[in-house]
Amino acid sequence: TQLLEQSPQFLSIQEGENLTVYCNSSSVFSSLQWYRQEPGEGPVLLVTVVTGGEVKKLKRLTFQFGDARKDSSLHITAAQPGDTGLYLCAGAKLNRDDKIIFGKGTRLHILP
Amino acid sequence: GAGVSQTPSNKVTEKGKYVELRCDPISGHTALYWYRQSLGQGPEFLIYFQGTGAADDSGLPNDRFFAVRPEGSVSTLKIQRTERGDSAVYLCASSSLAGRSYNEQFFGPGTRLTVL
Repeated sequence: TQLLEQSPQFLSIQEGENLTVYCNSSSVFSSLQWYRQEPGEGPVLLVTVVTGGEVKKLKRLTFQFGDARKDSSLHITAAQPGDTGLYLCAGAKLNRDDKIIFGKGTRLHILP
Repeated sequence: GAGVSQTPSNKVTEKGKYVELRCDPISGHTALYWYRQSLGQGPEFLIYFQGTGAADDSGLPNDRFFAVRPEGSVSTLKIQRTERGDSAVYLCASSSLAGRSYNEQFFGPGTRLTVL
């Protein structure tokens, strides 16, 4: 059983379009992180959300943590080819901030 | 200000052989993590060190896998009697947990292990 379900698994869209990817769970997390990974490299942290309902913006990327802290979304506005990559969400369970669990990721491809 | 480094970047071995993968964390980071990432998957937790001791090794798949961090810095992941199913990218991450309310992990580029 996958603790964190990410959807869609794959997404290919045209440059300039908007998109949203999701990270869902039946478990409550103390914090949730989004990472981006490019081929041949390790994941790089984009953002951490810790409060239910929290919204964080990073340029054209908007991250939201669900009110119940069980799910999160990443919205990209006006996608660019440089946004192409594997987007991973990872959660820290309650009372276990020292360990995070990853979802399988959404592979995003932005067509020029 | 170097990041996490891992060596080798690629390792090709034959079934049944022994391999060692090395991780150099960011200086001063007390926490060190090993993950395994198969094609099309997210990183799968293997083991986590806090200082020299393994705080959680629940992700190690079986007793062929072992990891050490004798001086609380560099870590080595050791795999005995390798099997083709061990082929994957092995990622290392380090973190400074002190004073933080969340765990920000910094990843190395990984070692791609191929077992023929």
